[in-house]
Amino acid sequence: AQKITQTQPGMFVQEKEAVTLDCTYDTSDQSYGLFWYKQPSSGEMIFLIYQGSYDEQNATEGRYSLNFQKARKSANLVISASQLGDSAMYFCAMTGRGSTLGRLYFGRGTQLTVWP
Amino acid sequence: DGGITQSPKYLFRKEGQNVTLSCEQNLNHDAMYWYRQDPGQGLRLIYYSQIVNDFQKGDIAEGYSVSREKKESFPLTVTSAQKNPTAFYLCASSGRTGVDSPLHFGNGTRLTVT
Repeated sequence: AQKITQTQPGMFVQEKEAVTLDCTYDTSDQSYGLFWYKQPSSGEMIFLIYQGSYDEQNATEGRYSLNFQKARKSANLVISASQLGDSAMYFCAMTGRGSTLGRLYFGRGTQLTVWP
Repeated sequence: DGGITQSPKYLFRKEGQNVTLSCEQNLNHDAMYWYRQDPGQGLRLIYYSQIVNDFQKGDIAEGYSVSREKKESFPLTVTSAQKNPTAFYLCASSGRTGVDSPLHFGNGTRLTVT
């Protein structure tokens, strides 16, 4: 089965600065997907960005980019030019093939606080 | 607008009572999922269904039951056998089951059992 590890329970960043949220993963699948979700205090889960295991380029979506290092099995989320509205819980997740196809496995999350 | 509707947003029950959480989607998605979220635990999969009239247990299915009689609906029943039912419950759906398929989530139901 897939395993996701997020080692930072909390992170703080000043507005307009960049921040990196760490994520490492473990899997025996050759083909898998990595995802980041944002969860504001309201509770909804917002999909941010996706990286496929065979993608050679790092994924980017606006201010979000995913620093994918396959050999290290890491998929860190980089948020550039942080905004106050970025304060939320961030989850790294992954899926894979076979019996796990379609299922998402989540890490425990990182609480990001952006201060003015 | 298409989306996933979970109701109610807050639910309170007495210990020993069964309770059913509603999840409806109008995205025409085949696959639907129920996750449980506890503080510091991330999301854990309870049940999932990839097609109508079929569903599979996830990692923490004990004390829960589901049905999938319609494509749009995937209700979750928290039974009295669930030892610690107080949690935040999230329903999700997906239009396909590939490695590149993100899940679309509802806004969640916060269940408190006393």
